[in-house]
Amino acid sequence: DAKTTQPPSMDCAEGRAANLPCNHSTISGNEYVYWYRQIHSQGPQYIIHGLKNNETNEMASLIITEDRKSSTLILPHATLRDTAVYYCIVSSGGSNYKLTFGKGTLLTVNP
Amino acid sequence: GAVVSQHPSWVICKSGTSVKIECRSLDFQATTMFWYRQFPKQSLMLMATSNEGSKATYEQGVEKDKFLINHASLTLSTLTVTSAHPEDSSFYICSEVGGLDWKQGYTFGSGTRLTVV
Repeated sequence: DAKTTQPPSMDCAEGRAANLPCNHSTISGNEYVYWYRQIHSQGPQYIIHGLKNNETNEMASLIITEDRKSSTLILPHATLRDTAVYYCIVSSGGSNYKLTFGKGTLLTVNP
Repeated sequence: GAVVSQHPSWVICKSGTSVKIECRSLDFQATTMFWYRQFPKQSLMLMATSNEGSKATYEQGVEKDKFLINHASLTLSTLTVTSAHPEDSSFYICSEVGGLDWKQGYTFGSGTRLTVV
């Protein structure tokens, strides 16, 4: 699997957009970009994924660069409950595919 | 979406005893379950992959005789930490593919905080 690089921490003001970057310069053509988050002392939660097109769901938007070497997760209106560690994972998928978690980005949303 | 129920959410046990952690898939049949361990301020580390009706596959460095995994049915996978020691204190999390469509992401249990005293 391609490796990912994320900043260790970021801050965001409540109500503002949070933009979390991820570099995955060695991503291959069949690999998806997944984002998960982990609120303190809970199991990770799936947020969104994409292959090459930008994606949006009720939780977030995912912007993938044209060369697919980086992506940005956008939380449009961050709330205090969005404070969590956000993991960017690259995976070619499959029903038995093991996810490899990096260190992620600790996003702290401040009042 | 898929739901995985993990119990207990926390447990304290004495050194030398065994602890069982259960993960149930509530609304679908999970043929594969992944077990992770997470130490404080660290990321999740995959311990093993359990498959219904067959032996689990352990990651390098994980003692299979210490961490017993049973996946006897399509809705239940268990992790037993045998002869637990303080260094086994950790956050244990199960996960499986989110229902029938792996592209919808993996579903995780809520985790079990194990403290061995």
